[in-house]
Amino acid sequence: EPEVTQTPSHQVTQMGQEVILRCVPISNHLYFYWYRQILGQKVEFLVSFYNNEISEKSEIFDDQFSVERPDGSNFTLKIRSTKLEDSAMYFCASSVTGNTEAFFGQGTRLTVV
Amino acid sequence: ELKVEQNPLFLSMQEGKNYTIYCNYSTTSDRLYWYRQDPGKSLESLFVLLSNGAVKQEGRLMASLDTKARLSTLHITAAVHDLSATYFCAVSGGATNKLIFGTGTLLAVQP
Repeated sequence: EPEVTQTPSHQVTQMGQEVILRCVPISNHLYFYWYRQILGQKVEFLVSFYNNEISEKSEIFDDQFSVERPDGSNFTLKIRSTKLEDSAMYFCASSVTGNTEAFFGQGTRLTVV
Repeated sequence: ELKVEQNPLFLSMQEGKNYTIYCNYSTTSDRLYWYRQDPGKSLESLFVLLSNGAVKQEGRLMASLDTKARLSTLHITAAVHDLSATYFCAVSGGATNKLIFGTGTLLAVQP
């Protein structure tokens, strides 16, 4: 069964460093998303991406964040200069259209020290 | 702005008992989802509810949707320990299919 895959599963980085979280969406899906979940809290929407551009972003998704689809398969989230409060689980998701269910990857746990 | 509230936040129940988790949302929406999350794991889709009066059941879990009241419920029947997890409802909002999640309900089923 097709699934969304994310790498790495766990990333530890020093404050101020750049990190790139990687996702491979399901192959025929056209809409891509990033969500984050701070430990013990709810899941929060970060950004949606369609047709090679951001279609919507939340207040959390400030200038430190960027997304890219560098080739036909990967979808990346870059955090330019990490802060302690960026420590969270980051989930990638994809859907076929804007009106169908999104499927989530297994997540990347980011720890900023 | 679409807001989603869930209650209770924490639910401790004994095996064999029944209980209901409630999910209220603030504006009209196309779809409502229920997810299960085990500690440190991803989100497992349980139900997708699309229309008013929709009811779906899987094993000991049953979800329903009342779009007029903007309320969904997740009913647990005769709970077993394996159901212990955090349950989230989520509502799709906006043109981009983003999901707005509720606060989650941590369910602990005691033997």
